[in-house]
Amino acid sequence: EAQVTQNPRYLITVTGKKLTVTCSQNMNHEYMSWYRQDPGLGLRQIYYSMNVEVTDKGDVPEGYKVSRKEKRNFPLILESPSPNQTSLYFCASSLKGGGTIYFGEGSWLTVV
Amino acid sequence: AQSVTQLGSHVSVSEGALVLLRCNYSSSVPPYLFWYVQYPNQGLQLLLKYTTGATLVKGINGFEAEFKKSETSFHLTKPSAHMSDAAEYFCAVSDRVSGTYKYIFGTGTRLKVLA
Repeated sequence: EAQVTQNPRYLITVTGKKLTVTCSQNMNHEYMSWYRQDPGLGLRQIYYSMNVEVTDKGDVPEGYKVSRKEKRNFPLILESPSPNQTSLYFCASSLKGGGTIYFGEGSWLTVV
Repeated sequence: AQSVTQLGSHVSVSEGALVLLRCNYSSSVPPYLFWYVQYPNQGLQLLLKYTTGATLVKGINGFEAEFKKSETSFHLTKPSAHMSDAAEYFCAVSDRVSGTYKYIFGTGTRLKVLA
């Protein structure tokens, strides 16, 4: 089944403790991205990647890192999480940039 | 910069009534346009999209949207609301900027269907 898989789905962590949210897609998509969803703000793009080893900042990249060493994986790294990074995070992919974008089921992250 | 505006963060309709969710975008050239639906505790699912060609686009679950270039709008409609349509709906555009693609999402409209 074609899908975007993110883990963990739910996480409560403490301020400053590094964490990684993994994202994997099995559709051979070139384009991958991360979004955060906050009430009243919709989805805001954190980082995106047009292809392997090519990443770029979205609208809200501060406090996040990403890497794209393989086509299928696009992990989101929070080096030193803070409470304002408490949010619902979505990974997404598209065959090529511009086309239909497919979303994972989301990762609820709480930083206390 | 590209932007997407969804009028009304909450919309309530009676079951069987017309659903109209509004979306306006800003772009100097026709972008690709999308509507996504998010059910509780789920990811976003594509309802329909406009790329080129016919301006009236039909999607899943009886939804459709019309691209109106002159009004820079892409409103979502459904003739008769069903209880299962209760969800949050997002309008989005993709646009090519400096050789890369950006996806811009609206802030969402939560649809409530009243029995």
